[in-house]
Amino acid sequence: DQQVKQNSPSLSVQEGRISILNCDYTNSMFDYFLWYKKYPAEGPTFLISISSIKDKNEDGRFTVFLNKSAKHLSLHIVPSQPGDSAVYFCAATGTMNYGGATNKLIFGTGTLLAVQP
Amino acid sequence: DVKVTQSSRYLVKRTGEKVFLECVQDMDHENMFWYRQDPGLGLRLIYFSYDVKMKEKGDIPEGYSVSREKKERFSLILESASTNQTSMYLCASTVPGTPSGNTIYFGEGSWLTVV
Repeated sequence: DQQVKQNSPSLSVQEGRISILNCDYTNSMFDYFLWYKKYPAEGPTFLISISSIKDKNEDGRFTVFLNKSAKHLSLHIVPSQPGDSAVYFCAATGTMNYGGATNKLIFGTGTLLAVQP
Repeated sequence: DVKVTQSSRYLVKRTGEKVFLECVQDMDHENMFWYRQDPGLGLRLIYFSYDVKMKEKGDIPEGYSVSREKKERFSLILESASTNQTSMYLCASTVPGTPSGNTIYFGEGSWLTVV
């Protein structure tokens, strides 16, 4: 039972254009969401996060949008650069994991982004 | 500089062998995790630990066990390796409480091939 889904396994974008990566979740207890970028043979690196009390968070070229009613979030990268080519994972965690307990992350299946020069 | 170190980057083991994957962190984190990454399946949680000698099953614990004898070290054990355990294994550590992307650290991964 996949609680966090990324329905697009791959995405190809021209350099300079916008990349939009999507993520859906099913568990209404999730209230904190993160995006990670991963190159082959390396561990994931943190990109950006958003709390459920917000609907948008921006950091440089990266913006994450959250639509709680639709249980959907998206990552926008503008402008896209060839160095952005990687696998992107969204991840979610919930309040039940706070307060001294583990903050367990549930990951999506990933989207391979290819930015063409 | 914070570090999560996975001692073996690339391993090839035979079916039926007992395999140990070691993870060490130097940040005095309470929580440690083992994930595996497979194409089309993302990162799936195998086991996690929130304190020394404490462990909890993740989403896919079958065929695995773990050991946390010291705070800094979390070992993943494949009791009898099988070919369907060929995968990339990722270790992570973090502090408890409010999660933040900046407080969760991943190792570089261990590629295991079972033949």
